[in-house]
Amino acid sequence: DTEVTQTPKHLVMGMTNKKSLKCEQHMGHRAMYWYKQKAKKPPELMFVYSYEKLSINESVPSRFSPECPNSSLLNLHLHALQPEDSALYLCASSEGTSYGYTFGSGTRLTVV
Amino acid sequence: QKEVEQNSGPLSVPEGAIASLNCTYSDRGSQSFFWYRQYSGKSPELIMSIYSNGDKEDGRFTAQLNKASQYVSLLIRDSQPSDSATYLCAVNARFGNEKLTFGTGTRLTIIP
Repeated sequence: DTEVTQTPKHLVMGMTNKKSLKCEQHMGHRAMYWYKQKAKKPPELMFVYSYEKLSINESVPSRFSPECPNSSLLNLHLHALQPEDSALYLCASSEGTSYGYTFGSGTRLTVV
Repeated sequence: QKEVEQNSGPLSVPEGAIASLNCTYSDRGSQSFFWYRQYSGKSPELIMSIYSNGDKEDGRFTAQLNKASQYVSLLIRDSQPSDSATYLCAVNARFGNEKLTFGTGTRLTIIP
């Protein structure tokens, strides 16, 4: 199994809602990542988990809260988002950045 | 100076010709280099990785690395309409660094 699975594929939420994005990998990769991508822009790193511990937080606003329940799962909890947070949210995993990342198919988030 | 720079294009190439995509990076200590292909509305897909100076070939794709010039390129031979996509260059700055830095991407269009 060489996939990273993200759910849901599409999400529309209001600014007062709480929602969660989910990511799962079964490749035994030790690192998992959340990226945010706006239209016609490159992916922008948000968080890195290495061996289930948060190793990088790129100064992301607290309305985004990551969680790594185990080595295969990564969640991104969303609360009180703004319309400008609308984007494609990408999860990725790797055995180490020397090997590159495998990306999931992404969650297209729209905040209304 | 941006860490990873690419010509944003768009780059238009006739079908069957060679497409040449270029990327420069600023950190001389960079160790690993990747090319990702991203179709519109989809997630990035790893197509090539290169770690040492010279050429690396995989099918119709050739990655070239010149660390002295801090330059990495991707050649696509016998270009097909299905190669039309945005190509992202990504660099791992330091061994053990958990972060890939992406260029802004080059939009490639293959003209039938």
